[in-house]
Amino acid sequence: DTAVSQTPKYLVTQMGNDKSIKCEQNLGHDTMYWYKQDSKKFLKIMFSYNNKELIINETVPNRFSPKSPDKAHLNLHINSLELGDSAVYFCASMRGGQEKLFFGSGTQLSVL
Amino acid sequence: AQTVTQSQPEMSVQEAETVTLSCTYDTSESNYYLFWYKQPPSRQMILVIRQEAYKQQNATENRFSVNFQKAAKSFSLKISDSQLGDTAMYFCAFLDSGAGSYQLTFGKGTKLSVIP
Repeated sequence: DTAVSQTPKYLVTQMGNDKSIKCEQNLGHDTMYWYKQDSKKFLKIMFSYNNKELIINETVPNRFSPKSPDKAHLNLHINSLELGDSAVYFCASMRGGQEKLFFGSGTQLSVL
Repeated sequence: AQTVTQSQPEMSVQEAETVTLSCTYDTSESNYYLFWYKQPPSRQMILVIRQEAYKQQNATENRFSVNFQKAAKSFSLKISDSQLGDTAMYFCAFLDSGAGSYQLTFGKGTKLSVIP
């Protein structure tokens, strides 16, 4: 069973559209993250949730809105997509006290 | 804010040889964790090795070992007996476990090519 799963793996869409990426973890972890990897492979944190509460919210356009319906899920909704949003988005999770992040396989978003 | 610097954008090594990837970091924290993650062309982020700052002993995982110099804020990764499957991007990362933030900060990565 996949520990951290993201869907979809690939997402191709037009500028101006709204899209969502889903993430689920079956590890029982209490902290989940969204990271963005740009075309130069640089990984930057976007959001972090702990027990469904937002604890990290880096400088990200407010077109990006995370939603955590429960501890096992952290979804990312993006409004009015722009060309610059094209990137790979990674979901990750961690149990406090273990200090080890587990990553999903990433979602490659292409905005045309 | 913590920063992580990987000064080698690209490296190459002959199969079966040894290679060392460099990483330095900057922090005022005393309790933290350091990691090396591997990202092969498949895009999956794979944890290679983890070091706890309060442990003086260097971590090892099979062919992978680190040289952790806390005073110098240096955390290099040594890969012994390099294999073709080691070809990947390698990211050094810092985890601040203080104040409950658990934020993982990455370096810009080193692209490693293992040559047959």
